[in-house]
Amino acid sequence: GQNIDQPTEMTATEGAIVQINCTYQTSGFNGLFWYQQHAGEAPTFLSYNVLDGLEEKGRFSSFLSRSKGYSYLLLKELQMKDSASYLCAVSDSNYQLIWGAGTKLIIKP
Amino acid sequence: SQTIHQWPATLVQPVGSPLSLECTVEGTSNPNLYWYRQAAGRGLQLLFYSVGIGQISSEVPQNLSASRPQDRQFILSSKKLLLSDSGFYLCAWSAPGAHTGELFFGEGSRLTVL
Repeated sequence: GQNIDQPTEMTATEGAIVQINCTYQTSGFNGLFWYQQHAGEAPTFLSYNVLDGLEEKGRFSSFLSRSKGYSYLLLKELQMKDSASYLCAVSDSNYQLIWGAGTKLIIKP
Repeated sequence: SQTIHQWPATLVQPVGSPLSLECTVEGTSNPNLYWYRQAAGRGLQLLFYSVGIGQISSEVPQNLSASRPQDRQFILSSKKLLLSDSGFYLCAWSAPGAHTGELFFGEGSRLTVL
């Protein structure tokens, strides 16, 4: 079956760095996506990786290793507004998105 | 610019009652349209997707149905709600013909079935 695993919850301190991991097992691979979802709101797109390596976008970076079925989202200089759930999703061989359950990130002052 | 709206935002319905959630997209033509359900502690579950008017693909057998009467309108319906239908429903669109996972979501509709 297809599976996306990510930690349920993480806690970090304002101003620090946090890394949210995601491992996947899917039938085919056409890219990995990270979305941010604030409580009670809809998800918003953060990043897309289809090749191995690091993609940087401001304070957020996303890394992919296809051979290991692994990705991480790195958040630097954490701000209180970064408190949210972070969803990992993989596009499979049919270009359908398989979603992880999300990681709830709690930022403490 | 493109926008997506869905409504109602919240609703409380008794078991056995009908349901209609509506979603409209503006600023783009022939978008791919999706209905997802999000249950607490679980990943987004794709319910239906559509690549064009009248073309609906169902991912999960259930008592829900979807229709696309116009290019940028997507409706989720049920004739008789079950308790298990409670959840957060999200409509989304993606660029036509694009095989990417960049989805743009509506505000969401929180359904409670009592």
